[in-house]
Amino acid sequence: RKEVEQDPGPFNVPEGATVAFNCTYSNSASQSFFWYRQDCRKEPKLLMSVYSSGNEDGRFTAQLNRASQYISLLIRDSKLSDSATYLCVVNMYGIVQFYFGSGTKLNVKP
Amino acid sequence: NAGVTQTPKFQVLKTGQSMTLQCAQDMNHNSMYWYRQDPGMGLRLIYYSASEGTTDKGEVPNGYNVSRLNKREFSLRLESAAPSQTSVYFCASLDTPRYEQYFGPGTRLTVT
Repeated sequence: RKEVEQDPGPFNVPEGATVAFNCTYSNSASQSFFWYRQDCRKEPKLLMSVYSSGNEDGRFTAQLNRASQYISLLIRDSKLSDSATYLCVVNMYGIVQFYFGSGTKLNVKP
Repeated sequence: NAGVTQTPKFQVLKTGQSMTLQCAQDMNHNSMYWYRQDPGMGLRLIYYSASEGTTDKGEVPNGYNVSRLNKREFSLRLESAAPSQTSVYFCASLDTPRYEQYFGPGTRLTVT
């Protein structure tokens, strides 16, 4: 079983739509959670960390559900520039090793 | 500020050839990583170095070796390339307080 699983998509949405991605993780010892963004043929870049109480950064909201072992990313008012692959990443306490999901592809259409 | 740099950007090898991928970071980070990314597979960890002088295997270490030359540099060596090693290779370093990984631009390797 993979450490981190994501729906690969693609999610095709119109501009202005709200879209949500989920990601599940298998190890209950996972401690730190992140969403990275990867544009086509580019390197991944940190979008946001995910905190236990949930957190928001502009149009982006991340939530963590430890009981069900999943994290989510909500994007409101989608822009064309949001088109990318979103990678879910988890880390266990005290270990500097990270586990990546295979990514969810988002296409925002005009 | 260069961040994480990788060389080369592209490489084509024949089966059985060897090569070394170079990575350097100028952010004074302790931990560095090598990942490979294949279509539909996400990033898989090959090796990592938690600090200068240490290296550890990740999920897919077979066929690779690494050297943490100093705090800045972390190289990945393919001793005898195989077609299964055709992939995009990313190097990364870790900003420990924030646990944010910074990635290099990647090396696109094709083994024929």
